[in-house]
Amino acid sequence: AQSVSQHNHHVILSEAASLELGCNYSYGGTVNLFWYVQYPGQHLQLLLKYFSGDPLVKGIKGFEAEFIKSKFSFNLRKPSVQWSDTAEYFCAPRYNNNDMRFGAGTRLTVKP
Amino acid sequence: SAVISQKPSRDICQRGTSLTIQCQVDSQVTMMFWYRQQPGQSLTLIATANQGSEATYESGFVIDKFPISRPNLTFSTLTVSNMSPEDSSIYLCSVEPIRETQYFGPGTRLLVL
Repeated sequence: AQSVSQHNHHVILSEAASLELGCNYSYGGTVNLFWYVQYPGQHLQLLLKYFSGDPLVKGIKGFEAEFIKSKFSFNLRKPSVQWSDTAEYFCAPRYNNNDMRFGAGTRLTVKP
Repeated sequence: SAVISQKPSRDICQRGTSLTIQCQVDSQVTMMFWYRQQPGQSLTLIATANQGSEATYESGFVIDKFPISRPNLTFSTLTVSNMSPEDSSIYLCSVEPIRETQYFGPGTRLLVL
């Protein structure tokens, strides 16, 4: 069965630090890749997505993610985090245009 | 994108009762989804609800426990039947206004005593 792994359960950073959240997914044919974010008290929002083309995709709020096919990875990055980035981040591969899986989530805490 | 609302936003229910959750979207969408997010866990897809057809349930979820209605292209309901404390969770609906991209509602937080 398809699966997704997020390496970090909880990440704590200071403001201006760089961020990289790991995401690995299992092979399963055609895969589209998503990162969602859930800010405290808010609902899930789409951060960015990758379907094809340039493997480096840019999303909202300065986030980007790199698709590395050989490693089955889709890591999320941000060069300089802000306190307002405190949230939970979910990686979600979608297999064969239908079967969407969510990772366990990574809770990011940014200290001011 | 799409604006999605859910009712109720939260509820506390007694075991053995049922709760119907409503999901309303501001535009017509073909595909709607219902997810569950149990405490401390990630999202799990319950079923896909397309207008004009029976809902498709994921492994581990059955229609008798989670009946779904999809009467039109902007509305759906999920009923959690014969509830037990294990059903305590956040229930979310999502829609797919753009192919292969889902947008989520605010969720319904359910506590079963």
